[in-house]
Formats: sequence, C-alpha cells, structure tokens
Amino acid sequence: NAGVMQNPRHLVRRRGQEARLRCSPMKGHSHVYWYRQLPEEGLKFMVYLQKENIIDESGMPKERFSAEFPKEGPSILRIQQVVRGDSAAYFCASSYQTFRAPSGANVLTFGAGSRLTVL
Amino acid sequence: SQKIEQNSEALNIQEGKTATLTCNYTNYSPAYLQWYRQDPGRGPVFLLLIRENEKEKRKERLKVTFDTTLKQSLFHITASQPADSATYLCALVPRGDSSYKLIFGSGTRLLVRP
Repeated sequence: NAGVMQNPRHLVRRRGQEARLRCSPMKGHSHVYWYRQLPEEGLKFMVYLQKENIIDESGMPKERFSAEFPKEGPSILRIQQVVRGDSAAYFCASSYQTFRAPSGANVLTFGAGSRLTVL
Repeated sequence: SQKIEQNSEALNIQEGKTATLTCNYTNYSPAYLQWYRQDPGRGPVFLLLIRENEKEKRKERLKVTFDTTLKQSLFHITASQPADSATYLCALVPRGDSSYKLIFGSGTRLLVRP
C-alpha cells in the first residue's frame, strides 16, 4: 500500500523555465493539499484540491502558479517562469476526507517532497 | 498578529532522558493541535493529535499537553533514543470551514546523544 508519491524528488530549473511537480495521493484518498517549505520556515498551505476541483487556492501566488487534480492521473503543481525565490521543498499531502473542526480534524499523510532549485 | 513559535535552537539531550519541546501561539484559537516528525529529506509524519478540551494525550513514549489559557503545547518523549533524533513540528488546526489549512511552526530539531 504505497503512500503519497511525489516526483520528481529533485528538480533543477533555470530562471524563466517551467517546473511541474506531480503527486499521487494514497489509495482511497480523494483530497490533496500542497504545502511549501522554505529553509528554516514552517510549511505553508498553498492549495487544496479534490478530483477535478480546486477547493481553496488562497495560499498560492496568483501569478505563475497553478494546480490541478484531474479525473485520471496525479495532481500537478505547475510553476511557470520560475524565479530564485521559488526554490523550496514542495510537499503534497492527502486525506480520506476533510473534517470540519471542532467535530473532527484532518490528519495529513505527506509525500517525501519535491525539492526545486532555481539557478 | 498571528504567530506560532517553536524553539529554533536544537535540543541536545542524552539518551534515556526526557525531551520536552514547546509550541506557543498567539492570536489563534485552534480546535486541535497536531505534532509531526520530519526527518531530513522526508515529509512530515503525523504523531499525535490533541483537542482543545483535552489536557493531555499519550501514545507509547510520547505525551502531548495543550493549555489553551497559556496558548501552549508541550511535546514530551520519555526514555529518548538516538532514533528519536529528528525535527518535530507542531501544527494548529483552525476552526470551521478552513480546518484543512494546517498552520505549522518552523519546527525544533532534537538530537539524542548515545
């Protein structure tokens, strides 16, 4: 029973190129979340998706960043025209369902992350 | 402003001792608080969850407390082992419709010396 699978694990891009990060959630999980972790900082929420729907993209920069979770295939986080400030670890997490606190709380299963380096 | 703070200095302890990590927050009223472990080059792994109306939660050698008056959670590892060396993250679970947006601290690195 594979966990959350992310690829590539490491990605190097030059400024101005595009980065595509992929995430396959755990089997049976239909909720996907992307978080970004800058060095020495906590993980920051970017976007929450269900199949074919973006539920909340409030944490994602409005320009150059997009995310999708198609009916078939993995979730994709796409960063166009990368800049050095985009260098970070990008983590995908999934959950079976979303709870609304205080009746319940999400426990996230994270992937190993994709580390983007922009030269 | 809203803040969640964990001690940025590494905690260095001798094997067998109890490690205590602190998570403080301001201007939040979380319904839950979670603790995760993160190893270098890996994603966070969920450890424990505590509700706002619970004072303490235990799981094997782990114990979490949650004081909503002090706005603080303490994470304890008893009889620590070198294998416990990792970064430990606390995460607040907001109330209501945005409860999926966990708010993470920057983590505290724990080093357990043999």
